[in-house]
Amino acid sequence: KNQVEQSPQSLIILEGKNCTLQCNYTVSPFSNLRWYKQDTGRGPVSLTIMTFSENTKSNGRYTATLDADTKQSSLHITASQLSDSASYICVVSAPHYNQGGKLIFGQGTELSVKP
Amino acid sequence: NAGVTQTPKFQVLKTGQSMTLQCAQDMNHNSMYWYRQDPGMGLRLIYYSASEGTTDKGEVPNGYNVSRLNKREFSLRLESAAPSQTSVYFCASSEVPRDSYGYTFGSGTRLTVV
Repeated sequence: KNQVEQSPQSLIILEGKNCTLQCNYTVSPFSNLRWYKQDTGRGPVSLTIMTFSENTKSNGRYTATLDADTKQSSLHITASQLSDSASYICVVSAPHYNQGGKLIFGQGTELSVKP
Repeated sequence: NAGVTQTPKFQVLKTGQSMTLQCAQDMNHNSMYWYRQDPGMGLRLIYYSASEGTTDKGEVPNGYNVSRLNKREFSLRLESAAPSQTSVYFCASSEVPRDSYGYTFGSGTRLTVV
């Protein structure tokens, strides 16, 4: 069973519009939650990282929220640009004492921004 | 440019052939990782090296071997490639094991086994 589920699987929006991507997780306990952006043919790049005590974190036009009680996170993109077209991956870090932590990746949301 | 460099970027193998994927980082990171990414699935950890001289299995190690050649380099070897190993492979590094704040990924190697 996938412990990190993202929705929607894919999304198409017009340039300039806002959008929100969702991430639900069942990992418990967890250390932190991250959002990555992965451009086509490239490796993931970190956008935000939040610990369980943080509710929101911004990085330019990207704002991530976290509700540790309901185990939900969202990534809100404001005033989308063509360069925002990418896959957005939610990653939960779980404490794993023998290995110093374990990362669990969601399957990603494919965002396409059209002119 | 500082970062993680993977070679090759693309590779096609026949079933049963062997090959080594190379990874090098120039950030003086202690820990390095190999992941595979398949359609509709999240990245899965194959092997990792918490520090120079150590390697450990991840979630999906079967069919792979690794070598931490030195602090900079971490290679992934497929001894007898199978079609199930068709995937995109990513190398990553971090300053400390499973660093919560600093993972850097390479650009990936797209491998097709026919």
